[in-house]
Amino acid sequence: GQQLNQSPQSMFIQEGEDVSMNCTSSSIFNTWLWYKQDPGEGPVLLIALYKAGELTSNGRLTAQFGITRKDSFLNISASIPSDVGIYFCAGLNGGATNKLIFGTGTLLAVQP
Amino acid sequence: GAVVSQHPSRVICKSGTSVKIECRSLDFQATTMFWYRQFPKQSLMLMATSNEGSKATYEQGVEKDKFLINHASLTLSTLTVTSAHPEDSSFYICSAKGLASGSSDTQYFGPGTRLTVL
Repeated sequence: GQQLNQSPQSMFIQEGEDVSMNCTSSSIFNTWLWYKQDPGEGPVLLIALYKAGELTSNGRLTAQFGITRKDSFLNISASIPSDVGIYFCAGLNGGATNKLIFGTGTLLAVQP
Repeated sequence: GAVVSQHPSRVICKSGTSVKIECRSLDFQATTMFWYRQFPKQSLMLMATSNEGSKATYEQGVEKDKFLINHASLTLSTLTVTSAHPEDSSFYICSAKGLASGSSDTQYFGPGTRLTVL
């Protein structure tokens, strides 16, 4: 099935560092979403973006919906150990099918 | 609000048996439920979309006769893996969308079910 390309694939950082990851697609999406998944759990929604160019924050997290509607980035500031997990972007194509297409994921490891 | 539960959380079965996984929306009515499969170190892949009271729509490459989906009520969808084989071992995650707080397009995910077929 179709997937969005996320980069980097994994990141190993020190506590307190800022993190940036991005997601690109060959297709346009009407909505971009960022999820975090802990091991053995379902994904949890972090941020939803509904308009091209939109910049939205949720605590230490900031995400932007690219102007072209084909990309998005997520920043995490001042990382803490509990930020560890896999981060997925997802695009919603809207319309009759309205399916979520998930990115390939970014594994984040934070060393205290 | 907008809580989705799955049962069981883990299941181990013998090859050739069938396994049923339940997905429930606890505090809202889910007009649409989605079933995803996630293999180790991979992303979530949509298997099928089910609307309450109608047949599920399966993604390309997903066998509808093997993965039976029933969405008989606005709060419950079930996925039955028939004649399971070791290659069906995976993490199955459901999501629900419907009349909940926030955007009606938002999907709320369950905690997942780990299926291991011996």
